[in-house]
Amino acid sequence: DTAVSQTPKYLVTQMGNDKSIKCEQNLGHDTMYWYKQDSKKFLKIMFSYNNKELIINETVPNRFSPKSPDKAHLNLHINSLELGDSAVYFCASSQVGLAVGELFFGEGSRLTVL
Amino acid sequence: GNSVTQMEGPVTLSEEAFLTINCTYTATGYPSLFWYVQYPGEGLQLLLKATKADDKGSNKGFEATYRKETTSFHLEKGSVQVSDSAVYFCALSSLQGAQKLVFGQGTRLTINP
Repeated sequence: DTAVSQTPKYLVTQMGNDKSIKCEQNLGHDTMYWYKQDSKKFLKIMFSYNNKELIINETVPNRFSPKSPDKAHLNLHINSLELGDSAVYFCASSQVGLAVGELFFGEGSRLTVL
Repeated sequence: GNSVTQMEGPVTLSEEAFLTINCTYTATGYPSLFWYVQYPGEGLQLLLKATKADDKGSNKGFEATYRKETTSFHLEKGSVQVSDSAVYFCALSSLQGAQKLVFGQGTRLTINP
């Protein structure tokens, strides 16, 4: 059973398109995140949701819109894709009040914008 | 702001060699410190952590000690194995509750048999 699962794993698309990446966690955690890993392996937080409420939004262009229909899901929708959006996007989850800093990551979704 | 700096990779070692990956941080307050590992084709996994000064985190033969005086959290292992080949990330968290992790740039480690 995969604890944090993301789909799709690979996504190749043209500039200007709109795409979504889905994330689901079956750990019962109340907090979910999206991180972006660029080509140099730098990992930066984009968003965090706690119980469906946005709590961290790290100066991400508003072309990126996270949506959390329930606390087990956090989807990422990207409008008008640009070349610079090419990266690996990681979803993660954690439980507030339990182990500090222990995040559980999905396997990543590699987005390539042509 | 908070930041983490790791030694640049890639690092290539022979099996059974001693490993050190340096990590230093800048933070306000008293952060918790972490090492995460990313095996090929997988997401990141927590390897070890330390939540206060002089704490030592350890797991799978890896160790790191929280040194407040040098703002460091270097990762060490006495004898590496081929299966340790991965990318290692140092990270800090200074915001309880929001669990906001700030990562270093990652260090790719390759162990040759």
